[in-house]
Amino acid sequence: SYVLTQPPSVSVAPGKTAGITCGGNNIGTKSVHWYLQKPGQAPVLVIHYDSDRPSGIPERFSGSNSGNSATLTISRVEAGDEADYYCQVWDSSSGHPVFGGGTKLTVL
Amino acid sequence: QLQLQGSGPGLVKPSETLSLICTVSGGSISSTNHYWAWIRQPPGKGLEWIGSIYYSGSTNYNPSLKSRVTISVDTSKNQFSLNLRSVTAADTAVYFCARGTVAASPPDLWGQGTLVTVSS
Repeated sequence: SYVLTQPPSVSVAPGKTAGITCGGNNIGTKSVHWYLQKPGQAPVLVIHYDSDRPSGIPERFSGSNSGNSATLTISRVEAGDEADYYCQVWDSSSGHPVFGGGTKLTVL
Repeated sequence: QLQLQGSGPGLVKPSETLSLICTVSGGSISSTNHYWAWIRQPPGKGLEWIGSIYYSGSTNYNPSLKSRVTISVDTSKNQFSLNLRSVTAADTAVYFCARGTVAASPPDLWGQGTLVTVSS
């Protein structure tokens, strides 16, 4: 099945910009979705269809997707952004969604 | 506002069947185009799609679990359920129920999660 690769961890200082990547074979041809998950909570969809923000998600969250890599960008990072972030695509060959392994964002 | 609430036993014995229910409130489970899904997360690990059921009744299961999984809907109770047979310790996880608005869309509404431990 389709494999998505994320870095295990990313660290960023408050107020700076964080980028979390999601790698996959020709991922640029698929729609990528991103979730934020804080400890003990359910995931929250923060970006869908590569770069669209669901209602209520701050403009600081943005996404891009091209070639073999998609990126979630968080601008002006806040302490409250510290969480695990997961990318997800729909694997048409298997007919079901696939998640990346997750990236822990640490705000220094 | 639509909400999902998962429920079920927190402890299941090896080789037995794990059964969970997700109750939908604030809206109808029979809404056209929606799908209802189960996703799990072993402790300290990532997310794994278990399967989904569409408003039409058709199901879609993760091939790695397909032989042991059944997802069904009870429209009279506005609930959908998960049965996972012949469980082992590897099935210990937080089980989330979720909704997607159209086929192949990302699940945009999640329940709070139910921790199920498989142990004798």
